[in-house]
Amino acid sequence: DADVTQTPRNRITKTGKRIMLECSQTKGHDRMYWYRQDPGLGLRLIYYSFDVKDINKGEISDGYSVSRQAQAKFSLSLESAIPNQTALYFCATSEPGPRGYTFGSGTRLTVV
Amino acid sequence: AQSVTQLGSHVSVSEGALVLLRCNYSSSVPPYLFWYVQYPNQGLQLLLKYTSAATLVKGINGFEAEFKKSETSFHLTKPSAHMSDAAEYFCAVSESTGGGSQGNLIFGKGTKLSVKP
Repeated sequence: DADVTQTPRNRITKTGKRIMLECSQTKGHDRMYWYRQDPGLGLRLIYYSFDVKDINKGEISDGYSVSRQAQAKFSLSLESAIPNQTALYFCATSEPGPRGYTFGSGTRLTVV
Repeated sequence: AQSVTQLGSHVSVSEGALVLLRCNYSSSVPPYLFWYVQYPNQGLQLLLKYTSAATLVKGINGFEAEFKKSETSFHLTKPSAHMSDAAEYFCAVSESTGGGSQGNLIFGKGTKLSVKP
C-alpha cells in the first residue's frame, strides 16, 4: 500500500455540487497538507494541519474547507464546486524539520 | 516572504547532454531547499534537499544541486540526460526558523524537461 493514499483518483462533478477529496497516510506523520496544481502555476497551498486540533489556511483557501478526522486522515471539501476549481489536487505529509514531503498520487478534479 | 523562481517553463536537451534547471529563491532567513520530480500521472518525488550542511547536494538518479548563497540559487544539474529524465521538476523553499508556518514548502512554477533522442 502507498504511504499516502488519495481517493478518488479522478472525479468529474457539476457546478454547485459538494465534493470531498480524501487523504489517508500510514507514515505516522502529524503534519498534513493539501495543494492544488495548475499548469504553469506550480503547487499552491490550500490548507495545512500540524496535528488533529491544528488547522490552518494556506495561500488559496477560499472555496475550500478541511477536516482532520484523525492523525492519519485529512479531507478536503469543496462546498459548492465551480469550474475554476478544476485542477490536480495533492495531499502530502511531513515530519517536523527539513525532511520534505511525502506526496499522494493526486486527485484530478474536473468541474463542468 | 519566501518565494522561488524557476527560469524556463520548458527545457529541451538531447540524450547525453548536460541538464541544467535553474532555481532562484528569496528568503529572509537561511532556507531549506528542495527539488522534486513529477513523472506523468504521478505525484511528486523528492530528488534532493539542502539543509545547511554541504553546499553541493547529491540526489537520486544522478542529479545534484549546488547552494550558492551569494547568488541565491539552487540550480539542478545532471551531466548526461537520459530519456527517462523527461518529467516536470519543481524547486521548493521552506523556512528554517520557528514560526506558525515553519516547514511549509513554497514551490516554484515548475520546469518541464524534454529529452530528445
